[in-house]
Amino acid sequence: GNSVTQMEGPVTLSEEAFLTINCTYTATGYPSLFWYVQYPGEGLQLLLKATKADDKGSNKGFEATYRKETTSFHLEKGSVQVSDSAVYFCALFLLSGGYNKLIFGAGTRLAVHP
Amino acid sequence: EAEVAQSPRYKITEKSQAVAFWCDPISGHATLYWYRQILGQGPELLVQFQDESVVDDSQLPKDRFSAERLKGVDSTLKIQPAELGDSAMYLCASSLGRQSHSYEQYFGPGTRLTVT
Repeated sequence: GNSVTQMEGPVTLSEEAFLTINCTYTATGYPSLFWYVQYPGEGLQLLLKATKADDKGSNKGFEATYRKETTSFHLEKGSVQVSDSAVYFCALFLLSGGYNKLIFGAGTRLAVHP
Repeated sequence: EAEVAQSPRYKITEKSQAVAFWCDPISGHATLYWYRQILGQGPELLVQFQDESVVDDSQLPKDRFSAERLKGVDSTLKIQPAELGDSAMYLCASSLGRQSHSYEQYFGPGTRLTVT
């Protein structure tokens, strides 16, 4: 089946620390991979995406590389800020016959302290 | 910037009562999705509409949940009767859809349901 596994949170960091949130997936076919972010009291926002193997998605200082050989899409940021505190969801996107499906991981809460 | 609207933002109801949530997608978006997000978990798709037609409701508990999108624009999700295990965040999302080959989903702020 299709599934996404994320590292458990919470992840607690000091400002300017390096961030890694691990994400691995199981999928049939050739999925695209996404990271979404959910700030407190808000809906999910697309943070970055990669549509094929070896693609690197990047946005707002965050990066993730689609690694087919390790079935991974780890999220990284070189220097986190307090404003990055949120819940981060890894998701795989499947397209079949013109219809689509997003399958989410359980989410990883990030807390950044000054 | 256009957004997906949802109401109410918060709802408290007693078990066995009926409850309904409303979603207004971004104008022109043909595909509409309802997700349930249980605390500490990722969103799970309940139902997907293409215009006014349901294209995927395989995870919708049809004995108590129903969803409609009568004119292919806004949508209502109903639970009757509500059970304690239905307490969750209900998220609506929309995308341009199949005709535009654009599937990026834009999410609303959600409705947090508490069943007592």
